[in-house]
Amino acid sequence: DIQMTQSPSTLSASVGDRVTITCRASQSISSWLAWYQQKPGKAPKLLIYKASSLESGVPSRFSGSGSGTEFTLTISSLQPDDFATYYCQQSWTFGQGTKVEIK
Amino acid sequence: EVQLVESGGVVVQPGGSLRLSCAASGFTFDDYAMHWVRQAPGKGLEWVSLISWDGGSTYYADSVKGRFTISRDNSKNSLYLQMNSLRAEDTALYYCAKALGSSGYDYWGQGTLVTVSS
Repeated sequence: DIQMTQSPSTLSASVGDRVTITCRASQSISSWLAWYQQKPGKAPKLLIYKASSLESGVPSRFSGSGSGTEFTLTISSLQPDDFATYYCQQSWTFGQGTKVEIK
Repeated sequence: EVQLVESGGVVVQPGGSLRLSCAASGFTFDDYAMHWVRQAPGKGLEWVSLISWDGGSTYYADSVKGRFTISRDNSKNSLYLQMNSLRAEDTALYYCAKALGSSGYDYWGQGTLVTVSS
């Protein structure tokens, strides 16, 4: 089974910061990677699919990149609404999550 | 508007059984594979099961294989999860999710809480 490793597990940042979250696959997954944002008490929300495609309605400050085994989710300028937990997903496997906290 | 509404979550004793339902609307249900994903309290997301558009193919996480059965009724736009031999570690919020091709889930329900406790 393919394992997905996210880093960091927690990230402290300020409004306006550029934030990068990394997801590594234990073997090549081409571009079959999705990113989600989850806020407390809410279902996950799809942000990025196929590694770099922005889901409709998602702000353009979110972007995804990578292929093969290494992928990144970047928030170009962190906004107050972005403090949440982020997950990567390949097929049926999720990363362990990255909590973005207020610094 | 796409909607997924889960139901059936309750408190159940270890060893008990439960059937979860997910009512879908706002899209052509039988065009899409559907998944169940769960989240234990304070923990991350765990994929549980997948069913193909026609119900002909099903897949399960090792943690539930042999105990859970996924099914669908396309005439009722409904997805189900039969859960048997429940364990304390099955305690979680269970989400149904609509597959976006081979990459991600574009719609999720609000979840239904299953608590396994004596």
